Amino acid sequence: NAGVTQTPKFQVLKTGQSMTLQCAQDMNHNSMYWYRQDPGMGLRLIYYSASEGTTDKGEVPNGYNVSRLNKREFSLRLESAAPSQTSVYFCASSFGTRSGANVLTFGAGSRLTVL
Amino acid sequence: AQKITQTQPGMFVQEKEAVTLDCTYDTSDPSYGLFWYKQPSSGEMIFLIYQGSYDQQNATEGRYSLNFQKARKSANLVISASQLGDSAMYFCLDPGGPGANSKLTFGKGITLSVRP
Repeated sequence: NAGVTQTPKFQVLKTGQSMTLQCAQDMNHNSMYWYRQDPGMGLRLIYYSASEGTTDKGEVPNGYNVSRLNKREFSLRLESAAPSQTSVYFCASSFGTRSGANVLTFGAGSRLTVL
Repeated sequence: AQKITQTQPGMFVQEKEAVTLDCTYDTSDPSYGLFWYKQPSSGEMIFLIYQGSYDQQNATEGRYSLNFQKARKSANLVISASQLGDSAMYFCLDPGGPGANSKLTFGKGITLSVRP
């Protein structure tokens, strides 16, 4: 039972390079999310997808794009990486209901360093 | 969406003692609720407990319980009989879904250190 799988786990980029973080869930969840976590900080929402075919900006969307490829997959793209995007990125998914059933299941995280 | 506040910078507790981690929220939405998550040093996010506004009793999951005080708009996590493995960061989270137009806001987190 894999849950939420995100790749890669580690990545080093040079300023200006692009990359895509991949996320897939096998729990038939409707909603998927991308967060970033900076040292000593909480998680900040970058983008979310309430359901297949929809995406919305979160708290810190600048410099990122997302694609909800299908119900299982939600990717995050950095078109031109900047040192300020050095962070740990978490993908999460949930049923998307406003209730106690909306438990977020997280991936293991992807540590990105931009030089 | 709720505004979530966690102001305790860091907490220390002796092993086997109880500890309370604070979380306050600010919302006019009557259907609010809160999750608590644990993040150990390994980095993964672990769901601990949920409390909904319509729940009659405070939620309990093993050694974790929620002290939900609506008048004070607080949903504090109580860990009883602390263990060394409880040393971690703890976050509270607004569980809003797409129908509530919520940004799923996390608090900034509290670092708990359990002393042997």
